[in-house]
Amino acid sequence: DSGVTQTPKHLITATGQRVTLRCSPRSGDLSVYWYQQSLDQGLQFLIQYYNGEERAKGNILERFSAQQFPDLHSELNLSSLELGDSALYFCASSVRAGTEAFFGQGTRLTVV
Amino acid sequence: DAKTTQPNSMESNEEEPVHLPCNHSTISGTDYIHWYRQLPSQGPEYVIHGLTSNVNNRMASLAIAEDRKSSTLILHRATLRDAAVYYCILRDRVEGGATNKLIFGTGTLLAVQP
Repeated sequence: DSGVTQTPKHLITATGQRVTLRCSPRSGDLSVYWYQQSLDQGLQFLIQYYNGEERAKGNILERFSAQQFPDLHSELNLSSLELGDSALYFCASSVRAGTEAFFGQGTRLTVV
Repeated sequence: DAKTTQPNSMESNEEEPVHLPCNHSTISGTDYIHWYRQLPSQGPEYVIHGLTSNVNNRMASLAIAEDRKSSTLILHRATLRDAAVYYCILRDRVEGGATNKLIFGTGTLLAVQP
């Protein structure tokens, strides 16, 4: 158990819908990272937050957004879902730069 | 983002040592070398990281070249449970730094034969 909790574990939804994925980082970790993993793209970095502020953006679509709340949990919002958004979404957290990151078990999103 | 190069795949026999190489010729002075692995159907798992000196932990050893342009992850006795994709990643130690985020490449798929 990495200490990073992601909910839900599985999500099935229809095209055009909107979903919210939730991540609770390890206690004391200020940085949260979101990743998308699909079969053909590998692990793609989406976005990073540090203590509530956005710090880095990767290949995150405009239909996707995220935030980190004062209690440090984070949410990834995916809207206008397409079939191609089906993937595993991972959240990771770390105490600070340069230290190890701990990953959750992921949320498997299936868009039908 | 600084780039790493790893072989696509490697094979090992159970209970033998495994040396997984990584080249990172464009590494900067503020970059740590991190290794993660991803077992089937799981999230990535931290293995080890280092800056300049060789590092050991309960999972593995990390040997870093003197010029820091390459490194080798060493699994001392491979087990079947070590079969995974191993990622070598450069990570900035400066908070909010350019490479502070973890950028995963394609990694090395390690197969362990009984």
